[in-house]
Amino acid sequence: GAVVSQHPSRVICKSGTSVKIECRSLDFQATTMFWYRQFPKQSLMLMATSNEGSKATYEQGVEKDKFLINHASLTLSTLTVTSAHPEDSSFYICSARGRGRKSTDTQYFGPGTRLTVL
Amino acid sequence: DQQVKQNSPSLSVQEGRISILNCDYTNSMFDYFLWYKKYPAEGPTFLISISSIKDKNEDGRFTVFLNKSAKHLSLHIVPSQPGDSAVYFCAASAPGKAAGNKLTFGGGTRVLVKP
Repeated sequence: GAVVSQHPSRVICKSGTSVKIECRSLDFQATTMFWYRQFPKQSLMLMATSNEGSKATYEQGVEKDKFLINHASLTLSTLTVTSAHPEDSSFYICSARGRGRKSTDTQYFGPGTRLTVL
Repeated sequence: DQQVKQNSPSLSVQEGRISILNCDYTNSMFDYFLWYKKYPAEGPTFLISISSIKDKNEDGRFTVFLNKSAKHLSLHIVPSQPGDSAVYFCAASAPGKAAGNKLTFGGGTRVLVKP
């Protein structure tokens, strides 16, 4: 299967600081990347869809000014949590989808980033 | 409104026996279904998928069955192994630009395979 990496895997920061998380597709070109967050013992919640070269599409209730997404190339998308607060502490996961336009193209997930805001 | 539901939050099965995980959906526009396996503090790993034009797809120990009329799919793992212990998520997607290739996930089923 395709490989997706995330960096960092774990980050602890002080309240008010910004944190950047990188998502890379290592062996395929991803026209679309997705960002999710997962709270303990809950399912994955889609935050936004990121298309290469265009603005991200955010899900209802997700603040676009707080969660900045950049998809600058076909292999890299970044999520920046701006002015992080303790309630932003969560497990953030990205996924990447290849060039195909069919809904049947599989999404491959990164290993996730554990963010803890003190 | 949960469009994809996994009604069993947990499942315990003996090693070597069959694990059956169930998933129900409400959106008739879904045409592609996937199963992912997830360990704690890791991203989901793709297991198997099925298109709505099929009713069965098999890959090694994993078989997914789709019953479109009932809007129900299931994942069979046989024989179950201790390494299969994880949380399994069912996901679905709909075609078309408006759907945005997004996956809708169920709540997950925690599987414990006892040696």
